[in-house]
Amino acid sequence: DAGVIQSPRHEVTEMGQEVTLRCKPISGHDYLFWYRQTMMRGLELLIYFNNNVPIDDSGMPEDRFSAKMPNASFSTLKIQPSEPRDSAVYFCASSFYARGNTEAFFGQGTRLTVV
Amino acid sequence: DAKTTQPTSMDCAEGRAANLPCNHSTISGNEYVYWYRQIHSQGPQYIIHGLKNNETNEMASLIITEDRKSSTLILPHATLRDTAVYYCIVSSSDSGGSNYKLTFGKGTLLTVNP
Repeated sequence: DAGVIQSPRHEVTEMGQEVTLRCKPISGHDYLFWYRQTMMRGLELLIYFNNNVPIDDSGMPEDRFSAKMPNASFSTLKIQPSEPRDSAVYFCASSFYARGNTEAFFGQGTRLTVV
Repeated sequence: DAKTTQPTSMDCAEGRAANLPCNHSTISGNEYVYWYRQIHSQGPQYIIHGLKNNETNEMASLIITEDRKSSTLILPHATLRDTAVYYCIVSSSDSGGSNYKLTFGKGTLLTVNP
C-alpha cells in the first residue's frame, strides 16, 4: 500500500478563497483523523471519523471548517473562507481498530499558506 | 484523555542509549501508552505502545512502571537520524466513541549529537 496520500502537498491561496484538502486513507482502515500543526499550538486533532461517520469534531476551530468522508477511500477538509491564521500544516491519518492497538499512519501533510 | 508530561528537550550522544521519560499519573485502567515521533517536516510515525508490560520492537523498548503512572521510551543505540520530537500519548482501547483518539501534547525534542 502507498500509505496515506494527501493532496496537494503545498497550497498557497489568498484570504477569502475556498480551500479543499484531500486525503486517501490506507485501504481497509476504519478510522480517519484530521490534524493541524502550527508552531504556536502544536499538533491539534480537528475531527475524526469511524466507518465514514464523524465521531468527534470538537477540535474544528469554527464554522469556516468542514470535513466530509463520502466513502471509505476519500475525505476532504474544506476551509471557506480562508484566513491568514489558517496557515499551517494539515495532516491526515488513518488506522484500523483492534483492541489495544491504535497505530495511526500519517500522510506527508499539506502545507497551507493563506496570504 | 489522560494528560502526559514530558521534558521539553533532551540531548543524547550518538551510539548511546536515549531514555525519554513520560508521566501519566491520571491514566485509567483501559488506557494504553503510545509513543510517536516526528522528524522535521514529516508526519508523525508510530514507535511502540503498551498497557502494563514492558514492550520491545525493532525500533525501541517501552518500560512502564508497575503503577502505570510513568513510562520510559528507550532507543538503545541512538543515531543522528533519531533526532526528532517524541510524543507520549495515552489513549483508550475502547472501541468506537469519543475515547478512541490520539491527542498529541508538546512532546520532547531529542537531539542526537555526533
